[in-house]
Amino acid sequence: GAGVSQSPSNKVTEKGKDVELRCDPISGHTALYWYRQRLGQGLEFLIYFQGNSAPDKSGLPSDRFSAERTGESVSTLTIQRTQQEDSAVYLCASSEKSGYPTDTQYFGPGTRLTVL
Amino acid sequence: LAKTTQPISMDSYEGQEVNITCSHNNIATNDYITWYQQFPSQGPRFIIQGYKTKVTNEVASLFIPADRKSSTLSLPRVSLSDTAVYYCLVGPYNFNKFYFGSGTKLNVKP
Repeated sequence: GAGVSQSPSNKVTEKGKDVELRCDPISGHTALYWYRQRLGQGLEFLIYFQGNSAPDKSGLPSDRFSAERTGESVSTLTIQRTQQEDSAVYLCASSEKSGYPTDTQYFGPGTRLTVL
Repeated sequence: LAKTTQPISMDSYEGQEVNITCSHNNIATNDYITWYQQFPSQGPRFIIQGYKTKVTNEVASLFIPADRKSSTLSLPRVSLSDTAVYYCLVGPYNFNKFYFGSGTKLNVKP
């Protein structure tokens, strides 16, 4: 079946512009996760959705970052007034249940964001 | 929160068994231990998960001592295609945050 998809695969933008990253989880998966991965670094957790609700948004790096999910399906991560330090690969994952520790997270290929 | 510590990198040769250890001293009673593998330019993928003692699947084994303060991922007879970054993830304290370790970069040489 179809896996997690993300779009765009690559995004180059100018400093100060807004960007929107999209994630399409596996159909029927209740939980959805966003991570950031800077070049050569590990995964940095950003936010988790249980259905359409994000119980804790404190992982978002700043108030320029926001995320939403609708219809327990598509999620968008929006970065306003992008800065060069926002350059990274943004990974999305989904899991079948609502974030229970035993859930396997299935990752998408990521969106590579470059801020000039 | 159950933070984790792993070696930054490891080298091995084809055909050898590789053991990667993850330390998680403040693991909670309800936490599970999960390992993921990440190839360059790809998202991580699930390898194995366990709670205590030993778990084995077709890819790897996971050893967890009785105190659960560490875990060891064992890859039997590695090949060049096992060159990747391996992450240890411990089940979140409050179910709302998820922390991967810094990852161990495994380099398998011919």
